[in-house]
Amino acid sequence: EPEVTQTPSHQVTQMGQEVILRCVPISNHLYFYWYRQILGQKVEFLVSFYNNEISEKSEIFDDQFSVERPDGSNFTLKIRSTKLEDSAMYFCASRGARGELFFGEGSRLTVL
Amino acid sequence: SQQGEEDPQALSIQEGENATMNCSYKTSINNLQWYRQNSGRGLVHLILIRSNEREKHSGRLRVTLDTSKKSSSLLITASRAADTASYFCATDGIYNQGGKLIFGQGTELSVKP
Repeated sequence: EPEVTQTPSHQVTQMGQEVILRCVPISNHLYFYWYRQILGQKVEFLVSFYNNEISEKSEIFDDQFSVERPDGSNFTLKIRSTKLEDSAMYFCASRGARGELFFGEGSRLTVL
Repeated sequence: SQQGEEDPQALSIQEGENATMNCSYKTSINNLQWYRQNSGRGLVHLILIRSNEREKHSGRLRVTLDTSKKSSSLLITASRAADTASYFCATDGIYNQGGKLIFGQGTELSVKP
């Protein structure tokens, strides 16, 4: 069964460093998303992406964040200068035909 | 905000019992979905109910939707220890762009063998 894959599963970084989280969405899906979940809290929407551009973003998704689909398969989230409060699980998802989301297993980001 | 809010926040039951989780939301929706998350894992889609539907079944899952009260419930019948997980409702609002879902706080279900 097709699945969304994410790498790395865990990344530890120093505050102020740049981080790139990678995702391979399901190949015939057209809408892609990044969500984050701070430990023990709810899943928060960051950004949606369609037709090679951002279709919507939340207040969390400030100038430090960017997304890209560089090669038609990968979908990346870049955090330019990480802060302590960026520590969270980051989930990539792609959207199925009925509007359901298929999530990856997440990338745990720890900012020290 | 169209934020979904679940209650209870935590639910502990014995194997074989039924588990009921509720979700309330604030804005008009296209559909409402339920997801499951095992600890430290990704979310898995369980069931989707459209705004013009009132009830839907899938195996041991039963979902109801009351758009007049802006609420939904998820019933898991004959629960098993393997059902232990967090359950989230998520709404697809009619004013969304790009099909984003807004997730509630979740209900942490513990099923004791």
